[in-house]
Amino acid sequence: DAKTTQPNSMESNEEEPVHLPCNHSTISGTDYIHWYRQLPSQGPEYVIHGLTSNVNNRMASLAIAEDRKSSTLILHRATLRDAAVYYCILSYGNTGKLIFGQGTTLQVKP
Amino acid sequence: KAGVTQTPRYLIKTRGQQVTLSCSPISGHRSVSWYQQTPGQGLQFLFEYFSETQRNKGNFPGRFSGRQFSNSRSEMNVSTLELGDSALYLCASSGLQGRTEAFFGQGTRLTVV
Repeated sequence: DAKTTQPNSMESNEEEPVHLPCNHSTISGTDYIHWYRQLPSQGPEYVIHGLTSNVNNRMASLAIAEDRKSSTLILHRATLRDAAVYYCILSYGNTGKLIFGQGTTLQVKP
Repeated sequence: KAGVTQTPRYLIKTRGQQVTLSCSPISGHRSVSWYQQTPGQGLQFLFEYFSETQRNKGNFPGRFSGRQFSNSRSEMNVSTLELGDSALYLCASSGLQGRTEAFFGQGTRLTVV
């Protein structure tokens, strides 16, 4: 299974943009890149996903490198409610199997 | 629409017993996956069911099993419980296989004593 590598933790100031990096050098052509986040005492929550092109939604943007070996989740204006563990995940081909890494713990300072 | 529902939310069992956890996916979703979350190992994939067939299986012993019914509801069973099975068990459902988002339930907190 292809794996992802993320920094253990990051800090951000409230209302500033946050760029969360992820490396996935062994990604295969059919693997989708997903981002989920998990707040304390809750199940993971979907943030965004993409295959090759950059993606935007109401929560965030996903920038995918041209060779697909890395990606960056962009939160445009961090709020205190964005403090969570962020997971960069590769879905296993076309299945629902998600392989979670250790994730990045994001702290947002007021 | 209703989210993913897992029951029970909390469970305490004794070593050696067995346990069955239930997951009701979002209406229309045919893929159901199960995950185990512990402080030491993080989130680990257990298995995935799609249209009543197990499509993927993680690296867990045979004591962990599951099934999916025709209405897409899924159950997972753990036999001969061990202390190390204490964890949060999460279920996720999704629509069009890996191309769409997965919705997670709140989980079942299992404590083995």
